[in-house]
Amino acid sequence: QQQVKQSPQSLIVQKGGISIINCAYENTAFDYFPWYQQFPGKGPALLIAIRPDVSEKKEGRFTISFNKSAKQFSLHIMDSQPGDSATYFCAASGDGTSYGKLTFGQGTILTVHP
Amino acid sequence: EAQVTQNPRYLITVTGKKLTVTCSQNMNHEYMSWYRQDPGLGLRQIYYSMNVEVTDKGDVPEGYKVSRKEKRNFPLILESPSPNQTSLYFCASSLLARAGLADSYEQYFGPGTRLTVT
Repeated sequence: QQQVKQSPQSLIVQKGGISIINCAYENTAFDYFPWYQQFPGKGPALLIAIRPDVSEKKEGRFTISFNKSAKQFSLHIMDSQPGDSATYFCAASGDGTSYGKLTFGQGTILTVHP
Repeated sequence: EAQVTQNPRYLITVTGKKLTVTCSQNMNHEYMSWYRQDPGLGLRQIYYSMNVEVTDKGDVPEGYKVSRKEKRNFPLILESPSPNQTSLYFCASSLLARAGLADSYEQYFGPGTRLTVT
């Protein structure tokens, strides 16, 4: 049972383009939605996160858009760079059953061509 | 330097030979967790611990054991490994999230342990 569904599985973007990764969740009790970035041979690291009381959060070239009614959220990477090539995971937490438990999406492998 | 360390980083073993993957954090975090990462499935939680001597099952606990005798250490034990446990394993830690404050508690991941069971 996959509570957080992520798409696409892989994404190829040209340098300077916009990368968009989408996630959908089922549990309406989730109240924290982070994105993690993982480079080859490394563990995931927190990139940006949002709470459902706002519809958008921006940090530099990275933006999370959140649609509570549709139970969807997405990561937008503006002016994508080759250094952004990594695997991206969306996640959700806060369902009240286990403090700190993160439920992850399946991951998106992003490749940015120079 | 604040970090989560795992050992070994790579391990090849045979079916049925007990093994332990160690995890240690130096950030005085209460919460620690083990995940496995498989292609197309993302990260799935195996076990977690909210403090010393407090552990609980995650989503895929079958075939694994954990212990939390010290705050900084959270070893993962495979008593009788099988080929379906071949995977990339990550340990993570964070301050203990509390209801309504989950966004304050970033999880820090170790570098991963690639396990192959033949």
